[in-house]
Amino acid sequence: DQQVKQNSPSLSVQEGRISILNCDYTNSMFDYFLWYKKYPAEGPTFLISISSIKDKNEDGRFTVFLNKSAKHLSLHIVPSQPGDSAVYFCAALEGYGGSQGNLIFGKGTKLSVKP
Amino acid sequence: DTGVSQDPRHKITKRGQNVTFRCDPISEHNRLYWYRQTLGQGPEFLTYFQNEAQLEKSRLLSDRFSAERPKGSFSTLEIQRTEQGDSAMYLCASSRTEDPGDYGYTFGSGTRLTVV
Repeated sequence: DQQVKQNSPSLSVQEGRISILNCDYTNSMFDYFLWYKKYPAEGPTFLISISSIKDKNEDGRFTVFLNKSAKHLSLHIVPSQPGDSAVYFCAALEGYGGSQGNLIFGKGTKLSVKP
Repeated sequence: DTGVSQDPRHKITKRGQNVTFRCDPISEHNRLYWYRQTLGQGPEFLTYFQNEAQLEKSRLLSDRFSAERPKGSFSTLEIQRTEQGDSAMYLCASSRTEDPGDYGYTFGSGTRLTVV
């Protein structure tokens, strides 16, 4: 059973508008949540993370929101740019603090930003 | 710092052959991870090392797979008697132990394996 779910395989947004990518999880023991961006033929690139003790983290155009009661997080990109077009993966970190430490990924959402 | 390097970038092999991939992590990172990604899926965890010690293996890592990290530097992932189902992108990542949540893992560009 998938512990991290990205239910939208794709999203199309106009340049300059907001992109909102969603992620749901099932395991309340996750310590950190991370977003990665992936271009074709490249490895995933880390974008932004949020600790389970926070509800918001911001870095430039990227903001991640965490709703622990709903086991839901979202990545907001404002304003969206054509260079943001990529596959975005939500990931959860299990056992932070020296125990397991492996990332559990969702299936990804392909974002297309149209000029 | 050149990031995480993986070699080769592409590998085509016949079913039943053995293949070996190499990963060179960021030098100050003591944790190294192997992931596998198939089409339409997110990366799936295979195994990880802290320094030279292999601390965890996924159930995806059958006995045909073996990974090593001698001296806690580069790592190799070997697949013996390859099967068509092994065709995937094999990703290596590294991180510092202390703050993987804050800074994430740094991934390499991957090795794409095609078994024919």
